[in-house]
Amino acid sequence: DAGITQSPRHKVTETGTPVTLRCHQTENHRYMYWYRQDPGHGLRLIHYSYGVKDTDKGEVSDGYSVSRSKTEDFLLTLESATSSQTSVYFCAISDRLSTYEQYFGPGTRLTVT
Amino acid sequence: AQSVTQLDSQVPVFEEAPVELRCNYSSSVSVYLFWYVQYPNQGLQLLLKYLSGSTLVESINGFEAEFNKSQTSFHLRKPSVHISDTAEYFCAVSESSGNTPLVFGKGTRLSVIA
Repeated sequence: DAGITQSPRHKVTETGTPVTLRCHQTENHRYMYWYRQDPGHGLRLIHYSYGVKDTDKGEVSDGYSVSRSKTEDFLLTLESATSSQTSVYFCAISDRLSTYEQYFGPGTRLTVT
Repeated sequence: AQSVTQLDSQVPVFEEAPVELRCNYSSSVSVYLFWYVQYPNQGLQLLLKYLSGSTLVESINGFEAEFNKSQTSFHLRKPSVHISDTAEYFCAVSESSGNTPLVFGKGTRLSVIA
């Protein structure tokens, strides 16, 4: 299995509070991604990174920010969590943007009350 | 921009029966196509992919998919399913230029009934 961990694995937070999710890889892959998975919507890309301090927006980036200060870590921040951000969040990594396999982490279940 | 349509959100099938999970894509340029599988409470993992060459691609656990350019489809098939195939299956597409991330479909939940 690819070395990807996500923390925390579960989190319950209140509306309006800031939340940071962490993705850590040990594979030295260039690309890292954050997705959210919701019933009926499948997997939607939030942000991705193509190198340290290099990031780009995905399909559903509003309300989220990311940072990548080291190759191995990719942080997803919800500045002020809303109930619509209740979801399962997956981190993924890959060597190439589109042709190589993406390896997924175990997911973080976030509940915003 | 590319898009993916998975025509069935849920597919129930009896054990040892054949199954087809349908995937159609839309793109103005050449594409790469993928099927990912998600077992309960896990992340996604690659099942098979089409990049070029033979339009029929196979996985190690008996699934196959055929790239049909004229019909813009990449349907996933298995001649005989097992209980262990119960999972959610995602079709994904990307531009063959390699400059854009994958775009995933909404998923098809395959339930194998004993």
